[in-house]
Amino acid sequence: DAGITQSPRHKVTETGTPVTLRCHQTENHRYMYWYRQDPGHGLRLIHYSYGVKDTDKGEVSDGYSVSRSKTEDFLLTLESATSSQTSVYFCAISESSLYRRNSYEQYFGPGTRLTVT
Amino acid sequence: GESVGLHLPTLSVQEGDNSIINCAYSNSASDYFIWYKQESGKGPQFIIDIRSNMDKRQGQRVTVLLNKTVKHLSLQIAATQPGDSAVYFCAESGGIYNFNKFYFGSGTKLNVKP
Repeated sequence: DAGITQSPRHKVTETGTPVTLRCHQTENHRYMYWYRQDPGHGLRLIHYSYGVKDTDKGEVSDGYSVSRSKTEDFLLTLESATSSQTSVYFCAISESSLYRRNSYEQYFGPGTRLTVT
Repeated sequence: GESVGLHLPTLSVQEGDNSIINCAYSNSASDYFIWYKQESGKGPQFIIDIRSNMDKRQGQRVTVLLNKTVKHLSLQIAATQPGDSAVYFCAESGGIYNFNKFYFGSGTKLNVKP
């Protein structure tokens, strides 16, 4: 498995509290992503980063912010958690740019199960 | 957002048979597609990819077929094994201006019966 860890792996929090999830990689890959996975929706991109301090929004970015101060760490923050943010969150990394290499393989972390009560 | 869907949410096959998992996509500008396998409690794992300038690509026991005319993608698994039991996702890139963004289908669960 690629060197990706996510912390915490499980978390239960109350509505309205801030939550930060951490993704850590040891592969020195340039691109990092946060997805959420819900039944019936597959994986949906929240935010992604294409370098230190360079981030962009995905398709479901409302209510989430991210930061990347180091190559190896990508943080996802829920400023004020809501029950609709109960989900499994996956971090992914990628080295290649689609137009520099033939493939664009993303490696996924083990996931964080977040429950907002 | 992009629409990437699957025809069958659950597929049951006998061990040793071939499996075919289908996927429809809606963005005609997508030029890159990936199939992922996800086992219970784990993150998705890359299986095989294909670019839009190809209509077929083969890997080890897996083949991906791309039909751009009808915007259809399929994954064929030869001689299906119990270890192939998992959820399979197709994903498409957002096109040349959004190639870093991928849109996933909702998944097909493959059950392999011994």
